[in-house]
Amino acid sequence: QSALTQPRSVSGSPGHSVTVSCTGTNSDVGAYSYVSWYQHHPGKAPKLIIYDVTKRPSGVPDRFSGSKSGNTASLTISGLQADDEADYYCCSYAGSYTFGVFGTGTKVTVL
Amino acid sequence: QVQVQESGPGLVKPSEILSLSCTVSGDSISRSYWAWIRQSPGKELEWIGYIYYGGRTTYNPSLKSRVTMSVDTSKNQFSLKVKSVTAADTAVYYCARLATYGWHFDYWGQGTLVSVSS
Repeated sequence: QSALTQPRSVSGSPGHSVTVSCTGTNSDVGAYSYVSWYQHHPGKAPKLIIYDVTKRPSGVPDRFSGSKSGNTASLTISGLQADDEADYYCCSYAGSYTFGVFGTGTKVTVL
Repeated sequence: QVQVQESGPGLVKPSEILSLSCTVSGDSISRSYWAWIRQSPGKELEWIGYIYYGGRTTYNPSLKSRVTMSVDTSKNQFSLKVKSVTAADTAVYYCARLATYGWHFDYWGQGTLVSVSS
């Protein structure tokens, strides 16, 4: 099972929006509504920010939103803030044999 | 607030057994699924497997032959063993809680670096 494909980096100015894509196949992203996104500041515990494609855990600002079209899921961060600068990983369920596959990771830089 | 914390040796010799523990606070280990995830240098996150307190385990097929997970309910801990390690097993190892519904990890530890070297 190959990793989901994410852009290596994206950047945006404070207050602007950025979108991170996560491309899989019709065996993972395209087949299930179990895509999640994680924010990771190096040295800290990764944090769940989106699950089940579009849902936000309690406490996650609504500046973070998720969507999916076909085999590609997307994370949009609106109103960029300095603290949003981190690595972001997607993850998708991939069936009862492989179970889960992660994305390659994207570094979001706030200019 | 659920917290999980990894512990274990930071250096393991090739061909030996890598052993890590994860201590859970803020939740009973008997109520949830618990997972191990790792990230080798320069590579993506890799799901290793998960365990339910009753001992039911599910492992990544690519690691299944070398991985064992177990639970110690008296300590509210779960553990990971990887046998016959090589340099390719050098990674930051994370423990996490796997959500009961869906497929996502809702609480993670900070991770612990394990290097495989003689």
